[in-house]
Formats: sequence, C-alpha cells, structure tokens
Amino acid sequence: GENVEQHPSTLSVQEGDSAVIKCTYSDSASNYFPWYKQELGKRPQLIIDIRSNVGEKKDQRIAVTLNKTAKHFSLHITETQPEDSAVYFCAASSGGGADGLTFGKGTHLIIQP
Amino acid sequence: DAGVIQSPRHEVTEMGQEVTLRCKPISGHDYLFWYRQTMMRGLELLIYFNNNVPIDDSGMPEDRFSAKMPNASFSTLKIQPSEPRDSAVYFCASGNRAAGELFFGEGSRLTVL
Repeated sequence: GENVEQHPSTLSVQEGDSAVIKCTYSDSASNYFPWYKQELGKRPQLIIDIRSNVGEKKDQRIAVTLNKTAKHFSLHITETQPEDSAVYFCAASSGGGADGLTFGKGTHLIIQP
Repeated sequence: DAGVIQSPRHEVTEMGQEVTLRCKPISGHDYLFWYRQTMMRGLELLIYFNNNVPIDDSGMPEDRFSAKMPNASFSTLKIQPSEPRDSAVYFCASGNRAAGELFFGEGSRLTVL
C-alpha cells in the first residue's frame, strides 16, 4: 500500500517568513495530492490540492509543487501570519479522489510573532 | 447543508463498555470514511464506504471494532468492548470521488478509563 512520509514534524518560523513542508510517497500510481490544515481542537480542512498532470499550483499565499519522478511534493506558505499556526497534513491517493487517501503524520507549524 | 455531523462530541467510558459513534454525511456524497487520530499515529483510516457498501476495512484494528452504513445518511462505528488504548479522536468524513475533497465532521473525542 501507499506510504507517505512528511517532514519536518515541527516547524517554527518568524511571522512574515516563508514555510516549506515536504512529503514523499511510495506508490508511483498515486495521482492526487491534497493538503489539509487542522487548527487546534478543530477538524482538518482542505487548503489546496494538486493532481499528477500539474507540476505546481498556487492560491494566494500558498503553493504546492509536485515532482513525480522523485515522488515528492511540497507545501509553500509565504508571508506567514499568526493564523497560519496549525498542523498541516499531506496526503496521497491512487484513486484520483477522495477514496484511498493515505495521510502523512503531520507538521506542527508555529508562527513566532 | 450543515456539513458532516458527528455524535457524541465527547464520550468518557470505562474499559469493557460498548461505545457507539454516529455520523451523518453530507447529502449527495457517495463516500464515507472513518478516521482515528492520535498523537502517536496521526490520522489513520479505519474503514470507508462507497454507496453504503464497505470497500476497505483493512484499517480496523481488531474485531472489537465494527462499522455499518444502513443508508446513505447514517453510519455508526462501534467498539465492543472498549479498552484504554482506544482513546482517540474519531473523525467521520464524506466526499465525492471525482471532486476529491474530504469534508470532516467535528470529531468524537473518546476517553476510555
């Protein structure tokens, strides 16, 4: 089955700086890669996703890049703000959609004022 | 739509007792997932249904765990008998395969004493 590794487990950055979270996956058939954000005590919510026919996707201050050859994808957050503090999960699926998602262990992002 | 609705939000029980967690997915979604979240293991997929049929229950840890989806608007996750190591937050999520996004409920925090 799919195995998703996520690094780092904790990331602390100064407000206004950029943050990068990296994930690798094992199943070359995986074709859908979402990122979820979970604030303390809340539910995970989708913030951005990318499919294997695209190398990069941006949405305001967040972007995701995908390297299919190396089987890794990354989340980039620019101009970080206090409300970006949360746990971020990457995931991969070979089903192309909601079914069969395997999540990484999560990255606790801390924005220092 | 009110989103995915889970109950109870919090459950404290004693070892050996039966626990039933409930979920109402978003109307029109054809996939329903049960996840367990702990600090040690992160988000683990327990089981998922497509059109009310269980598709993959390989994540169910033991025979003490069972899940049903009698109709498109209701699912239960049952633990009998419960053990302290079952303490976790249990999330229900629903989605459509083509769209890819998972919509999570608020979660049920289970504490087994």
